[in-house]
Amino acid sequence: DAGVIQSPRHEVTEMGQEVTLRCKPISGHDYLFWYRQTMMRGLELLIYFNNNVPIDDSGMPEDRFSAKMPNASFSTLKIQPSEPRDSAVYFCASSGTVLAKNIQYFGAGTRLSVL
Amino acid sequence: GNSVTQMEGPVTLSEEAFLTINCTYTATGYPSLFWYVQYPGEGLQLLLKATKADDKGSNKGFEATYRKETTSFHLEKGSVQVSDSAVYFCALGASGGSNYKLTFGKGTLLTVNP
Repeated sequence: DAGVIQSPRHEVTEMGQEVTLRCKPISGHDYLFWYRQTMMRGLELLIYFNNNVPIDDSGMPEDRFSAKMPNASFSTLKIQPSEPRDSAVYFCASSGTVLAKNIQYFGAGTRLSVL
Repeated sequence: GNSVTQMEGPVTLSEEAFLTINCTYTATGYPSLFWYVQYPGEGLQLLLKATKADDKGSNKGFEATYRKETTSFHLEKGSVQVSDSAVYFCALGASGGSNYKLTFGKGTLLTVNP
């Protein structure tokens, strides 16, 4: 399996622009997680899905952030409008199967810079 | 709620030195415990895990034992290599139910010098 695939790997944008980050989970996994990593706050869980349904979005910082999972093989995290404080590395992770519960597989991340 | 506290870094060692990174947790029930490693420019990857008390997880020379009496899961390696330089995260997975969330510690940066 190719693992969790995120795109783009790097994104540079200007304040106020819309940013869309993409994630393809491992085939067969039914949980998908979005994280944000910064030096100041460390690794933060933003939202997670089970069977394409959002289960917990309490970590989403504000209404500028939204996430969708239209099908089992694709998810997006959108920031509109973006701000410089959104600059971070965003990770997607997936997990699945009862036997491997809690083992999350991470993508390589998207490094976002908002100027 | 669940929480994980791990040793503040950074940790700098010479090659072949002994490594310990402390991790303690607070949780209800019987959580699963994990160590994840993040190499520069990459995502996190599972290093080892333990699912019940007294279990020892091991991988690539690293070990950690699930100690319920001290609520700890310290990471150890007898002889580190330059290639072990990375950030190490201790994590806790809730027990029971359908909660697949992980609670992560803040991470410990390890640098190994030749």
